[in-house]
Amino acid sequence: GNSVTQMEGPVTLSEEAFLTINCTYTATGYPSLFWYVQYPGEGLQLLLKATKADDKGSNKGFEATYRKETTSFHLEKGSVQVSDSAVYFCALSRGGADGLTFGKGTHLIIQP
Amino acid sequence: DAGVIQSPRHEVTEMGQEVTLRCKPISGHDYLFWYRQTMMRGLELLIYFNNNVPIDDSGMPEDRFSAKMPNASFSTLKIQPSEPRDSAVYFCASTEALPSGANVLTFGAGSRLTVL
Repeated sequence: GNSVTQMEGPVTLSEEAFLTINCTYTATGYPSLFWYVQYPGEGLQLLLKATKADDKGSNKGFEATYRKETTSFHLEKGSVQVSDSAVYFCALSRGGADGLTFGKGTHLIIQP
Repeated sequence: DAGVIQSPRHEVTEMGQEVTLRCKPISGHDYLFWYRQTMMRGLELLIYFNNNVPIDDSGMPEDRFSAKMPNASFSTLKIQPSEPRDSAVYFCASTEALPSGANVLTFGAGSRLTVL
């Protein structure tokens, strides 16, 4: 079946540090890949997505590249801010009517 | 559009009581999903609907859980009787059917359930 594995948290960084959150997946076919972010007390929001191999999704300074050869979709940001503190979820969809398969989430804490 | 609307935002109840969670999807979205979020298990898909019809309920944990979608603008998730292990945040999400299959779900703010 489908599965998503992402690094455990919490991840604690200082402001302006470089961020990488690792995500690998297992799926049949060619899934679409997503990063969602959940701020405290809120629902999940789409951060970025990629629908085919070598696509790069980007938004708000975050980037992730769909790597089919390594089945990965790592999230990166060059300089994090306190406001980036949240829980980040990697997810995949095989398309059609399927819902998303989520990783367990990585809690990111940015200290001033 | 106001987005996906869930109610109540918080519910505290006692074991054995019936709990009903409600969701209003975004107008025009043909798919509606119910997820449960816990620290131990993360986000779990419980059930999803297409055009008000339940398509896959394999994630519903037990017969105590049931979900309905009587029309395109309303869905309920019911737990009867509730148990302490049902304590979680329940999310509703909706999406339109995209030809590319890259389903972008829009989530509600969630309903936090505490069963004492």
